[in-house]
Parts: sequence; C-alpha cells; structure tokens
Amino acid sequence: DAGVIQSPRHEVTEMGQEVTLRCKPISGHNSLFWYRQTMMRGLELLIYFNNNVPIDDSGMPEDRFSAKMPNASFSTLKIQPSEPRDSAVYFCASSPPGASNEKLFFGSGTQLSVL
Amino acid sequence: GENVEQHPSTLSVQEGDSAVIKCTYSDSASNYFPWYKQELGKRPQLIIDIRSNVGEKKDQRIAVTLNKTAKHFSLHITETQPEDSAVYFCAGSGGSNYKLTFGKGTLLTVNP
Repeated sequence: DAGVIQSPRHEVTEMGQEVTLRCKPISGHNSLFWYRQTMMRGLELLIYFNNNVPIDDSGMPEDRFSAKMPNASFSTLKIQPSEPRDSAVYFCASSPPGASNEKLFFGSGTQLSVL
Repeated sequence: GENVEQHPSTLSVQEGDSAVIKCTYSDSASNYFPWYKQELGKRPQLIIDIRSNVGEKKDQRIAVTLNKTAKHFSLHITETQPEDSAVYFCAGSGGSNYKLTFGKGTLLTVNP
C-alpha cells in the first residue's frame, strides 16, 4: 500500500484565493482526520470523519474552512477565501476500523503558503 | 478538554547516550498515550504507545513509562544514534476514542 496520499505537496497562493487540499486514505481504513501543524500551535485536529461521515468539526477555525468525504477513498479540505494566517502544513491521517485515534497513519502533508 | 505539556522543547545528546522526554496531561479520563516521531520535512510516524492499564512498555531501544497518579508519561531512548534525530510528539486521548491532543514537540539532536 502506498500509504496516505496527499496532494499537492506544496501550494503557494495569494490571499483571497480558494485552496483545495486532497487526501486519499489507506484502503480499508474507515477513520480520516485533517490536522494542521504550525510552530505556534503544534498539531491541531481540524475535522474527523468516520465511515465518510463528519463526526467532529469543532477544530475547523471558521466558516472559510470546509471539508468533504464523498467516498471512502477521497477527502478534500477547502479554504475559501484563504488568508496569510492559514499558512501551515496540513496533514491528512487515516486509521483502521476499531482503532480511531490509535495507529494513525499520516500523509506527507501539504505545505500551504498564503501570500 | 485535554491539555498536554511536553518538556524539554529541545534536547541534544551524544551518540550512545540516553534521551528522556517527559509529558504531563490534565484529563484523568485519558487512557491512550502515543508517541510520534517526525523527521525534518517528513510525516509524523507512530513509534510506540501505551494504555492507561500498563505502567511501562518497551520496544528495542525505546520505552515509555506512565504514572497515572501523577498524570505524566515519558519516552526513553537508549543507545541513541544519529538517525534518532527528529521531533518527537507525545499525545493524550482525553476521554475520546478518536481525538488526540498533541504536545508541542521535542527536537532531539543526536551528535555523532
């Protein structure tokens, strides 16, 4: 298995633009997480899906952020409009059935820079 | 909610020495404590974890200890090697079966 696949690896955009980050979890995993990593705040959980259903989105910073999981093999995190303070590394992670917060497998992350 | 504090923020050791990283947590309902290693520019990877019904767990050169009474847990790396150089994150589950609250990380540098 190729592991959790994220795209793009790097994204540079201008303030006000829409940004879409993509994630393909490991096949067979039914939990999917979006995390944001910054120097100041560390790793923060943005949203958690279980069996494609959003269970907890309390970590989503504001209405500019939205996430979807249309099927078991694909999820997106969208920021519209983007702001410089959104600059961070965004990780997607998945875990197998029965594990939820255990045995998280992280993707390589998307380094987002909003100018 | 859960609050996880991690110390030190940076740690430098000589190759072959031991390294210890400590974390404290606030939520007594926490029952799962993983440790992740993140090499520069790479993804975090799980290296060891411990549940609240166990006091210590070992895996080759790494071990984790848990003191539920004091609400702290520690990562011990023995016979450190340059490839152990990375940022290490501890985490606590709080009362959740899906959430993890991460510490801010410890940058470990192993000098040859």
